Amino acid sequence: DAGVTQSPTHLIKTRGQHVTLRCSPISGHKSVSWYQQVLGQGPQFIFQYYEKEERGRGNFPDRFSARQFPNYSSELNVNALLLGDSALYLCASSLEGTVTYEQYFGPGTRLTVT
Amino acid sequence: QKEVEQNSGPLSVPEGAIASLNCTYSDRGSQSFFWYRQYSGKSPELIMFIYSNGDKEDGRFTAQLNKASQYVSLLIRDSQPSDSATYLCAVQGNNRLAFGKGNQVVVIP
Repeated sequence: DAGVTQSPTHLIKTRGQHVTLRCSPISGHKSVSWYQQVLGQGPQFIFQYYEKEERGRGNFPDRFSARQFPNYSSELNVNALLLGDSALYLCASSLEGTVTYEQYFGPGTRLTVT
Repeated sequence: QKEVEQNSGPLSVPEGAIASLNCTYSDRGSQSFFWYRQYSGKSPELIMFIYSNGDKEDGRFTAQLNKASQYVSLLIRDSQPSDSATYLCAVQGNNRLAFGKGNQVVVIP
């Protein structure tokens, strides 16, 4: 079975631009979470979605938004990019809407903001 | 106090030895605990999860949980060069996972 997929793999943007990252969960998984990982740190939680509803939001500014589609895929949008947004963006899927269920990560999208 | 702390620096272990990693957490209500392995430049890979006090073994990996002490550990037996990676401790709470910063393990042949 295919695992979590993310696109694009790498992305280079300029300050002030916006970016859209995409994620498809493991087949049968209905929950998607987004994390940001900067070099040398653990992933930081951004959002969780389950059945198209936002279930959790981390401590990130309103420039960050996300949504989930009827097929359970998800998009993460970041507006007005800052240099500090450069990071690995990870999508994780799980079977149910709470993290009591194990989360499996996709390969990530490496975003570089110049 | 950080939610999840992994304070040990890089850990170097000889091939075949036991690697021991520790993690403490602050939210006493946390119920689910995870260990992820992350190779350089790759995404985290789930290797162990534990929900109940005590030990859980899976192959060469053993996770240990002590909720009273708010402490989770991971033992890697018979360490192999392929175990060289960063190990992330993650704790469930409030519909999200909180991660420690990770511990780098280097297995020396």
